[in-house]
Amino acid sequence: QKEVEQNSGPLSVPEGAIASLNCTYSDRGSQSFFWYRQYSGKSPELIMFIYSNGDKEDGRFTAQLNKASQYVSLLIRDSQPSDSATYLCAVNSPGTYKYIFGTGTRLKVLA
Amino acid sequence: DTAVSQTPKYLVTQMGNDKSIKCEQNLGHDTMYWYKQDSKKFLKIMFSYNNKELIINETVPNRFSPKSPDKAHLNLHINSLELGDSAVYFCASSHWHRENEKLFFGSGTQLSVL
Repeated sequence: QKEVEQNSGPLSVPEGAIASLNCTYSDRGSQSFFWYRQYSGKSPELIMFIYSNGDKEDGRFTAQLNKASQYVSLLIRDSQPSDSATYLCAVNSPGTYKYIFGTGTRLKVLA
Repeated sequence: DTAVSQTPKYLVTQMGNDKSIKCEQNLGHDTMYWYKQDSKKFLKIMFSYNNKELIINETVPNRFSPKSPDKAHLNLHINSLELGDSAVYFCASSHWHRENEKLFFGSGTQLSVL
């Protein structure tokens, strides 16, 4: 079992719709969860982080964490073509000195 | 000001050559990392350094030798390059000892081994 799993996609949504990206992780000791966006040919850019169970909203983005189910998700409301990118889920655990990434989900927002 | 900068951005070289990638961060972070991203976008950690000390070496071939002269710099030297080394290499940094700190990436070095 991979440490952090994501559906590779592509996930296609029409402009204005809600895009839902999911991530599961295997280490129950994980405490910090991050979503990065990566455009083609660019470096990953942090867009959301969440540490506590529940929802965290920032503009059009909402991160959801359920530690009991070892599940973290990212919702993008009112999706725009400029949101088309690969979204990477990352997890870290205390004392490990590393951030573990999923394989990423490619999102396509269709105009 | 660029927070995490790495050079060069592109590196094209022949098999068997030796090459280096340099990385510097001006964020005052205590931990720096090298990640390798393959053609399928999977980001895999290679090394992490905390306060210039090697903390993680993720079963990377010993042809790869990182060096951290100080907390702000982490370089990567690769000997005897192989075709399979072609990838994008990202330097990154964070505060480790601060709880829940975020990871910041450099712009990446696209290495092509011919």
